[in-house]
Amino acid sequence: DAGVIQSPRHEVTEMGQEVTLRCKPISGHNSLFWYRQTMMRGLELLIYFNNNVPIDDSGMPEDRFSAKMPNASFSTLKIQPSEPRDSAVYFCASSFRGGSYGGELFFGEGSRLTVL
Amino acid sequence: KQEVTQIPAALSVPEGENLVLNCSFTDSAIYNLQWFRQDPGKGLTSLLLIQSSQREQTSGRLNASLDKSSGRSTLYIAASQPGDSATYLCAVRTGGFKTIFGAGTRLFVKA
Repeated sequence: DAGVIQSPRHEVTEMGQEVTLRCKPISGHNSLFWYRQTMMRGLELLIYFNNNVPIDDSGMPEDRFSAKMPNASFSTLKIQPSEPRDSAVYFCASSFRGGSYGGELFFGEGSRLTVL
Repeated sequence: KQEVTQIPAALSVPEGENLVLNCSFTDSAIYNLQWFRQDPGKGLTSLLLIQSSQREQTSGRLNASLDKSSGRSTLYIAASQPGDSATYLCAVRTGGFKTIFGAGTRLFVKA
């Protein structure tokens, strides 16, 4: 299995530009999570999906952030317009959820975003 | 609201020492608890997963315990090595299947 795949690995953009981060979860996993990591705030859960449906987006910082999961093998996190304070590493993670069983969470390598 | 705390924030030990990392959480209604390792500039690597019905899990030199009633977990590392130097994160999966992370313990093992 290739694991969770994220792209791009690095993104440098200018303030005001649109940024799209992509994620391919592990095949067979039905839960997908987007996290943001900064030195100041650590790992923050932004949004998560179960069976492609957004369950909780209370961690999304502002309306500038949006996430979609059009199918079981693809998700995007979009920031429009981007701001310097959005600079962080964005991680995607996936797991299998069955009934009350909480499966192991697997992370991608992350997308390092720098907004100038 | 679930909160996860890890103590200590940083730890430096000589090679060969056995050590314990601590994780505490405020709400005992959890599905599972997972320990991760993160190397600088890298993603998170899963070390051990303990389901809510379990008390401990072991993998090689690592042993993780879970006491739901007291809201605590420990990660025991035996015979530490310089290659164990990394940040160790504890994560709790709560109701609704949110997974909340602690701030991590930065470990440095001196050769």
